[in-house]
Amino acid sequence: DTAVSQTPKYLVTQMGNDKSIKCEQNLGHDTMYWYKQDSKKFLKIMFSYNNKELIINETVPNRFSPKSPDKAHLNLHINSLELGDSAVYFCASSQGRAWGEQYFGPGTRLTVT
Amino acid sequence: GENVEQHPSTLSVQEGDSAVIKCTYSDSASNYFPWYKQELGKRPQLIIDIRSNVGEKKDQRIAVTLNKTAKHFSLHITETQPEDSAVYFCAASGLAGGTSYGKLTFGQGTILTVHP
Repeated sequence: DTAVSQTPKYLVTQMGNDKSIKCEQNLGHDTMYWYKQDSKKFLKIMFSYNNKELIINETVPNRFSPKSPDKAHLNLHINSLELGDSAVYFCASSQGRAWGEQYFGPGTRLTVT
Repeated sequence: GENVEQHPSTLSVQEGDSAVIKCTYSDSASNYFPWYKQELGKRPQLIIDIRSNVGEKKDQRIAVTLNKTAKHFSLHITETQPEDSAVYFCAASGLAGGTSYGKLTFGQGTILTVHP
C-alpha cells in the first residue's frame, strides 16, 4: 500500500551516461513533482505535471526530461550525466494546485562518478 | 519569484525544552505555509501547515504562527523528545509564474538535535 514509490532507490553511474528514474503514485492525485535535494539538504522543485501536462519547469538543464505517461506516473530521464547531478531526487504528488499536502516518495540517491 | 529564508540552520536543545524555527518569505501572494520533517535518510513528511486566513494553528506539541503583514511564520515544538531530532523545512506556496498553479518554495532547513 505504498503511496508514492520510486525506482531505483540508488543509482551509481559514470559521467556521460544516460539514466532514468521512475515514479508512481496510487493516491489518485492529479499533480506530480520532481524535486532535487543537494548535499546541503536544500530542496528545490524541478518540474510539476498536472494531469499529464507540464505546468512548472524551473531553470533545469535540458539534459533533464520528464515524462508523464498518465497521471499516476512521472518519470525523469537524464542525459549526459555530470558530477553536479549527484543528489537525491524526490518525486511527490498532491491533489490540486499545490495548496495542500505533498506526499513524497522515498527518494533516489544518484551518484555520478 | 518566491524566496524563503529559514533560521537557524542548526538548533540543539535538551529534552523537554522548547524549539522555535523561524521563516520569512518574500511573495505577499503566497497563501499556504507547510512545515516538513525529514528524518535521516527518509522522505520529507508534512507535520503541520497553515493557510493565510489563519494566524495560529496547534497540533499537540507542535504549533505554527503566521504574521502576514511581516511575512514571517514560525514553528514551535514544546516538550521536545529525542525522536524530534530531524531536519525541518518550512515552505511557502505562491503562484508558479504565468500559471494559476501553486509552487512550493522551501527554506534551507534546520537541523534540530534533541539531547536526552
